[in-house]
Amino acid sequence: QAQLVQSGAEVKKPGASMKISCRASGYSFTDYYMHWVRQAPGQGLEWMGIINPIGGSTVYAQNFQGRLIMTRDTSTSTVYMELSSLRSEDTAMYYCGRGKGFFDGMDVWGQGTTVTVSS
Amino acid sequence: QSVLTQPPSVSAAPGQKVTISCSGSSFNIGSNSVSWYQQLPGTAPKLLIYDNNERPSGIPDRFSGSKSGTSATLGITGLQTGDEADYYCGTWDTSLSAKVFGGGTRLTVL
Repeated sequence: QAQLVQSGAEVKKPGASMKISCRASGYSFTDYYMHWVRQAPGQGLEWMGIINPIGGSTVYAQNFQGRLIMTRDTSTSTVYMELSSLRSEDTAMYYCGRGKGFFDGMDVWGQGTTVTVSS
Repeated sequence: QSVLTQPPSVSAAPGQKVTISCSGSSFNIGSNSVSWYQQLPGTAPKLLIYDNNERPSGIPDRFSGSKSGTSATLGITGLQTGDEADYYCGTWDTSLSAKVFGGGTRLTVL
């Protein structure tokens, strides 16, 4: 069955960068877009952006413009999310989730990656 | 402040029915389909409803969705203690060119 497996927890200092991976299996990688969503402790879901595995085009949420980069490696069916200039407010659980298109629901989610930003 | 508005909490007794509302605008719910997600404590969100009222395979028909104008509603019948979770609505916002979520509704089954 379709599965998304994310990389492990990270602890970063303010100003640093992080890069999380999301490896897909059990389906055709290029048939689905990949979203990234984060959730700060005790808070709701916040959409970060989306990547098209065919060609690698991206759309980022305005809040992250300039410090977010999403890439993909079709040879390993893996999507990467890199966030730079980290601050304490970036402490959150980060999820990848696949969707058929921009407008569709995310039907398979990764297990989440905890990122802690602290000096 | 979320783009989509949900009640912070709802509650009902086991076996009863509950509805969760999600209010938006013509730029999001009014022009795009709505999805609903269930997030059990300590787990990733799970898709419950897509395309306003469709259920993925494996989701029981106790869960239903509807949309009218710029609002959407999730309904859950035959409440079980295992339904206690946070529920989120989500859709695409054409003016923001971004996916948006409601702030989430915590369901308590008394």
